[in-house]
Amino acid sequence: QSALTQPRSVSGSPGQSVTISCTGTSSDVGGYNYVSWYQQHPGKAPKLMIYDVSKRPSGVPDRFSGSKSGNTASLTISGLQAEDEADYYCCSYAGSYVFGTGTKVTVL
Amino acid sequence: QVTLRESGPALVKPTQTLTLTCTFSGFSLSTSGMCVSWIRQPPGKALEWLALIDWDDDKYYSTSLKTRLTISKDTSKNQVVLTMTNMDPVDTATYYCARIISWGSYFDYWGQGTLVTVSS
Repeated sequence: QSALTQPRSVSGSPGQSVTISCTGTSSDVGGYNYVSWYQQHPGKAPKLMIYDVSKRPSGVPDRFSGSKSGNTASLTISGLQAEDEADYYCCSYAGSYVFGTGTKVTVL
Repeated sequence: QVTLRESGPALVKPTQTLTLTCTFSGFSLSTSGMCVSWIRQPPGKALEWLALIDWDDDKYYSTSLKTRLTISKDTSKNQVVLTMTNMDPVDTATYYCARIISWGSYFDYWGQGTLVTVSS
């Protein structure tokens, strides 16, 4: 199972929106509505931000949203804040689990 | 309150076998659908899924590491154990355990991770 493809980095100013893509295949992202997204600050464990493509766990700000089209899932952060600066990973069920390559979000 | 904590050696030698224990609380691995999984992350690199065990003792492994991994559980102790044989320096990573509420779904709670270095 090959890792899902994410951009290495994205950046935005406070208040702006950024979108992270996560590209897989019809065997993973395109085949199941089981895409999740994780935020990871340096030295910390990943934290669930989005599950089942677009659902937000309790406590996650509504500026985080998820979507999917075909074999590509996306995470959008609207109204970017300083604390959103972190690494983000997508994950898809694919008969097993496969993670994305990771994206570093920088708040300018 | 759900918590998970990984424990094991910080340093192993090449060719040795690594044994990691995930001790959890706040849920039972005998609950229908419940799963515990292992994920690792080499320094500065991406997450990699390793293995999963479910409430019914079904086990699933990463295709690329399947021959080296064994996952087991002790429900009475609330523990899941992962063994990885023939360790190599490329296996140096932080190893996490995480909960999944049903096979195919998401990792909702994670341990803090344990760094394992493989070096002679």
